[in-house]
Amino acid sequence: DAGVIQSPRHEVTEMGQEVTLRCKPISGHNSLFWYRQTMMWGLELLIYFNNNVPIDDSGMPEDRFSAKMPNASFSTLKIQPSEPRDSAVYFCASSFWRAEAFFGQGTRLTVV
Amino acid sequence: GQQLNQSPQSMFIQEGEDVSMNCTSSSIFNTWLWYKQDPGEGPVLLIALYKAGELTSNGRLTAQFGITRKDSFLNISASIPSDVGIYFCAGMKTSYDKVIFGPGTSLSVIP
Repeated sequence: DAGVIQSPRHEVTEMGQEVTLRCKPISGHNSLFWYRQTMMWGLELLIYFNNNVPIDDSGMPEDRFSAKMPNASFSTLKIQPSEPRDSAVYFCASSFWRAEAFFGQGTRLTVV
Repeated sequence: GQQLNQSPQSMFIQEGEDVSMNCTSSSIFNTWLWYKQDPGEGPVLLIALYKAGELTSNGRLTAQFGITRKDSFLNISASIPSDVGIYFCAGMKTSYDKVIFGPGTSLSVIP
């Protein structure tokens, strides 16, 4: 299995632009998580899906952030409009049981 | 905000030494997890603990689920340079709850 695949690995964008991060979970997993990692706050859970349905989005910072999971093999995290404070590493993770999550390599986002 | 605390925040040790780190919470957790993150990579699951008092090993790593359910410990024996990284504890209060991560312990191993 290729593991959780995220794209792009790096993204540099200008403030105000729309950013879309993509994730392909491990085949057969039924839970998907989006995390944000910063030096200040560590690993923060933004949102998680179970069987493609958003279960808890209380970690999404504000309305500029949205996430979708149209099917079991694909999810997106969108930021519109982006701001410099959104700069971070965004991780996608998936699991069959919620506990044992497998992480992707992350997308390093820089908003200038 | 953070509900898990990890100590120490960072540690520098000589190759071959044993390492101990812990994770504490003011709340009870039913599942404890330990992850390791290498630079530029995502966290990788090392050990999962599901029962109070459980002691589980993975090679040179041993982790324990505290009896009070409010703490967990990770030990690394005979450290080697590739043990360098950030070690995160994570917990779940129930099987249907979200996973909460601690702030991490940064480990440096001096050859």
